Amino acid sequence: TQLLEQSPQFLSIQEGENLTVYCNSSSVFSSLQWYRQEPGEGPVLLVTVVTGGEVKKLKRLTFQFGDARKDSSLHITAAQPGDTGLYLCAGAGAGGTSYGKLTFGQGTILTVHP
Amino acid sequence: DTGVSQDPRHKITKRGQNVTFRCDPISEHNRLYWYRQTLGQGPEFLTYFQNEAQLEKSRLLSDRFSAERPKGSFSTLEIQRTEQGDSAMYLCASSLNVLARENYGYTFGSGTRLTVV
Repeated sequence: TQLLEQSPQFLSIQEGENLTVYCNSSSVFSSLQWYRQEPGEGPVLLVTVVTGGEVKKLKRLTFQFGDARKDSSLHITAAQPGDTGLYLCAGAGAGGTSYGKLTFGQGTILTVHP
Repeated sequence: DTGVSQDPRHKITKRGQNVTFRCDPISEHNRLYWYRQTLGQGPEFLTYFQNEAQLEKSRLLSDRFSAERPKGSFSTLEIQRTEQGDSAMYLCASSLNVLARENYGYTFGSGTRLTVV
């Protein structure tokens, strides 16, 4: 069974601060995604990282995939209240019937105060 | 195509009753997934289909849960003899060709919030 450990579980910060969310596993994934979810809605895909060591930037968000494709991080620069939400990492299985099936981390609830 | 649709958005049922949820995926997506999510937690895998074939079902899923995708398009998830522990958000997602890894990701519906009283 593939497990993803996401940390921290809760993050409460002031507008303008920087933050990093971590996602770790002992399993190798074919790709890793980050999603953002608002209350009462389904998760929305932010980014997919595929190659070990890959770094992707999406405005103030920077995503990194570990060299061994087992871990990832999300860094937000100068957080804004609109960034508030549940952030989820998800790893795609690497083989067999699990190929493409996503395993999610527990999520990080981010609150950015004005 | 307006994305993944789930119906109903909310369902309140009495313990012991049966409930059925429907999911309409993005039409060109051949994979369809069902997940369950409790408040503040990550989605937990239930089952998934590739076209009409159910390829995997979670070992955590009891016999009271069944899912179908009869024509490889929409899917239904049925819970028989509901229990209070079944209360959760039930999420459906669909995905494009799994081999296209660079763009791989799920498109989720808005979910069905089930409350068992």
